[in-house]
Amino acid sequence: DVKVTQSSRYLVKRTGEKVFLECVQDMDHENMFWYRQDPGLGLRLIYFSYDVKMKEKGDIPEGYSVSREKKERFSLILESASTNQTSMYLCASSLGQAHSPLHFGNGTRLTVT
Amino acid sequence: DQQVKQNSPSLSVQEGRISILNCDYTNSMFDYFLWYKKYPAEGPTFLISISSIKDKNEDGRFTVFLNKSAKHLSLHIVPSQPGDSAVYFCAASLYGGGGADGLTFGKGTHLIIQP
Repeated sequence: DVKVTQSSRYLVKRTGEKVFLECVQDMDHENMFWYRQDPGLGLRLIYFSYDVKMKEKGDIPEGYSVSREKKERFSLILESASTNQTSMYLCASSLGQAHSPLHFGNGTRLTVT
Repeated sequence: DQQVKQNSPSLSVQEGRISILNCDYTNSMFDYFLWYKKYPAEGPTFLISISSIKDKNEDGRFTVFLNKSAKHLSLHIVPSQPGDSAVYFCAASLYGGGGADGLTFGKGTHLIIQP
């Protein structure tokens, strides 16, 4: 069974802090994704990666960056956290082939004060 | 502009009856569609999918119907059970589904199964 693990369930950070959200998957998946979920807005894609050291912008990349130094690990970085980045962040992974569903972690609830 | 739309934020259904969740899309390049189920404090879990070359896919109590001409799909749950109470997300993909381009999600429908 695929396991996608997000390092923190809850985080509270101050405005202007640099924030790291970590995600690890154990199924050797090629693709990894970061989404955020907000009430009334559903899930929106921030960044994704289809290979080590490769990254692509999703629909809402502003204010975020990512790092994928190893195949199993995908990090989301908030360079200078702002209150509008308070959200539920969801990491996902999938095989690099057609019709592969995304497998999600349990999410990190980030609050920026 | 939203490419995948779930126009019902919530839906209440009696236990044992049929639940029908609807989803519309605008991008005719989408060729693969998925439904995810999400419980509070958990990540979404994959439920069922359908390719654009089909109009129906069934898995146990869950059936997804696709009407390409109307750009509409629906998820039917029969019979509905209390454990089906969750938020359901419709998602769509370009060029083969779940690939490196990710998925475009709707806003979700909160399904409540009443005893």
